[in-house]
Amino acid sequence: DQQVKQNSPSLSVQEGRISILNCDYTNSMFDYFLWYKKYPAEGPTFLISISSIKDKNEDGRFTVFLNKSAKHLSLHIVPSQPGDSAVYFCAASDGSGGSQGNLIFGKGTKLSVKP
Amino acid sequence: DTGVSQDPRHKITKRGQNVTFRCDPISEHNRLYWYRQTLGQGPEFLTYFQNEAQLEKSRLLSDRFSAERPKGSFSTLEIQRTEQGDSAMYLCASSLALDTKLFFGSGTQLSVL
Repeated sequence: DQQVKQNSPSLSVQEGRISILNCDYTNSMFDYFLWYKKYPAEGPTFLISISSIKDKNEDGRFTVFLNKSAKHLSLHIVPSQPGDSAVYFCAASDGSGGSQGNLIFGKGTKLSVKP
Repeated sequence: DTGVSQDPRHKITKRGQNVTFRCDPISEHNRLYWYRQTLGQGPEFLTYFQNEAQLEKSRLLSDRFSAERPKGSFSTLEIQRTEQGDSAMYLCASSLALDTKLFFGSGTQLSVL
């Protein structure tokens, strides 16, 4: 059973517009969430994270929002640029039970930003 | 800081052969992880080390898989008697202890024919 779900396999947006990538989770023990970006033939690269004690974290063009009651988080990219075209993975961590660092990943959303 | 390094980048092998992959983490990181990624899926956790101790193994890690980190620096992942279902990208990552942010290498793409 998938604990982290990214229900949109792909997303296409126009350059300069906002990209919104969504992620849902089922495990209420998750207390830390991360977004990774992956280009073909490369490993995932860390983008931005958020702790469960916050509802928003911003870093330049990237903002992550967390809605704990809905078990939902989203990544906003604004303005979107062609170089943002990649697969984006949502990941979650349960810091309890000594499992820190064992990240649970979603299946990813492929973002295409068109010039 | 040269990042996480994995070798080889690609490996093609025949079913039944043994393969070994190497990972060199970021030098000051004491945690090292192995993940596996198949097409259309996100990375799946296999195992992790803190220094030389292997602290957790996933149910995905069958008896044919063994990982070592003998001196708490580089790590090797060996797959014995490879099967076609082992074909995947094997990713290594490292982190500081108590830091959930992992830094990934470029992976080793394994193809079992």
